[in-house]
Amino acid sequence: GAVVSQHPSWVICKSGTSVKIECRSLDFQATTMFWYRQFPKQSLMLMATSNEGSKATYEQGVEKDKFLINHASLTLSTLTVTSAHPEDSSFYICSARPIQGVETQYFGPGTRLLVL
Amino acid sequence: QKEVEQNSGPLSVPEGAIASLNCTYSDRGSQSFFWYRQYSGKSPELIMSIYSNGDKEDGRFTAQLNKASQYVSLLIRDSQPSDSATYLCAFNAGGTSYGKLTFGQGTILTVHP
Repeated sequence: GAVVSQHPSWVICKSGTSVKIECRSLDFQATTMFWYRQFPKQSLMLMATSNEGSKATYEQGVEKDKFLINHASLTLSTLTVTSAHPEDSSFYICSARPIQGVETQYFGPGTRLLVL
Repeated sequence: QKEVEQNSGPLSVPEGAIASLNCTYSDRGSQSFFWYRQYSGKSPELIMSIYSNGDKEDGRFTAQLNKASQYVSLLIRDSQPSDSATYLCAFNAGGTSYGKLTFGQGTILTVHP
């Protein structure tokens, strides 16, 4: 149980294009999903907290107009990197927190983004 | 002071030995603590969660929590080469940050045959 999927697992795009990443909880419902970014040899950096049916809460320094988050259902959150640039190249990982009383976050497999 | 500090690595142990990973945290309001394992190029996977003072055992893994000392550790018994990974401790922040995980910088563990 507690499986989270992400799609795509790899994406290469040209500078200036937008990229959408999907995060799905496959066998549980999640009111809250989180989006992280990880650069090589660094720890996870929380970008934003996504709550179903409401606006995402962004961490300090994360541009909400650049990283659009939508949490349309209890099993799906999407992150769109708009007008991507090479410095946005990173490993993007989502996690989902089950709806009932469990504090644990379960992580998706991650999406590697390379912007040329 | 950093919110979460892990013992500096990398840590290298021989196969079959006990690996000891340590973590201190600064937020006294924290209630939930987690250890995640991250293989190179992969996302973190949950190993242990611990909420109460004392020890919690799961197979070869034992998590220890001491809230008074703001300290959490992970012991890996009978270490195997497949345990070689980066280990991240994390805690669930209290107050207005409730629900968010704060991660340590990670400790790289290498188990050599």
